[in-house]
Amino acid sequence: KQEVTQIPAALSVPEGENLVLNCSFTDSAIYNLQWFRQDPGKGLTSLLLIQSSQREQTSGRLNASLDKSSGRSTLYIAASQPGDSATYLCAVASLSGGSNYKLTFGKGTLLTVNP
Amino acid sequence: KAGVTQTPRYLIKTRGQQVTLSCSPISGHRSVSWYQQTPGQGLQFLFEYFSETQRNKGNFPGRFSGRQFSNSRSEMNVSTLELGDSALYLCASRRTGGGKNIQYFGAGTRLSVL
Repeated sequence: KQEVTQIPAALSVPEGENLVLNCSFTDSAIYNLQWFRQDPGKGLTSLLLIQSSQREQTSGRLNASLDKSSGRSTLYIAASQPGDSATYLCAVASLSGGSNYKLTFGKGTLLTVNP
Repeated sequence: KAGVTQTPRYLIKTRGQQVTLSCSPISGHRSVSWYQQTPGQGLQFLFEYFSETQRNKGNFPGRFSGRQFSNSRSEMNVSTLELGDSALYLCASRRTGGGKNIQYFGAGTRLSVL
């Protein structure tokens, strides 16, 4: 059974700081890994998706890396802004039987960026 | 292009009642998945539907069921509601048949069971 862990559970940083969020998973047989952002009371917004064959993906100030062999992914946020304050969720996708797709989520990291 | 739409956004029910939640996927997306989010358990997979068939199911009791219609819209039903069913229910859709398999989520339905 896949288990996903995110560390730290909460993080508070001053504006402008670079930061790293960590995600670890127990089963390396993954299909892909997605990082999401969730604002309070809202749904999930997909930030980055890394296919199992890839090592990293970049979008603007965000960079996500994947090391399948060690069961780890990191989300790097450069020059953080107050608008980045949200909960960041890591989700690992499995595809069993060729068509059964399922995401297993971590509990998330609550990020607060202080002006 | 419209995103994933979930209705209603908020629901208040009492124990023992049943509830039906609705999800309209992004146009062209044939896969719809449902997730439950609670403070204690986080986000947990409920089930996935594709072409009106349930393809995958999470570890939830039989009180949780769903269906998908020919236009890919999906409904989720919870019967005999319990206090512990209070949660944010999220629906997600994705395009199948190649590509990145990104799941796009709706804003969710917040269910409160009193």
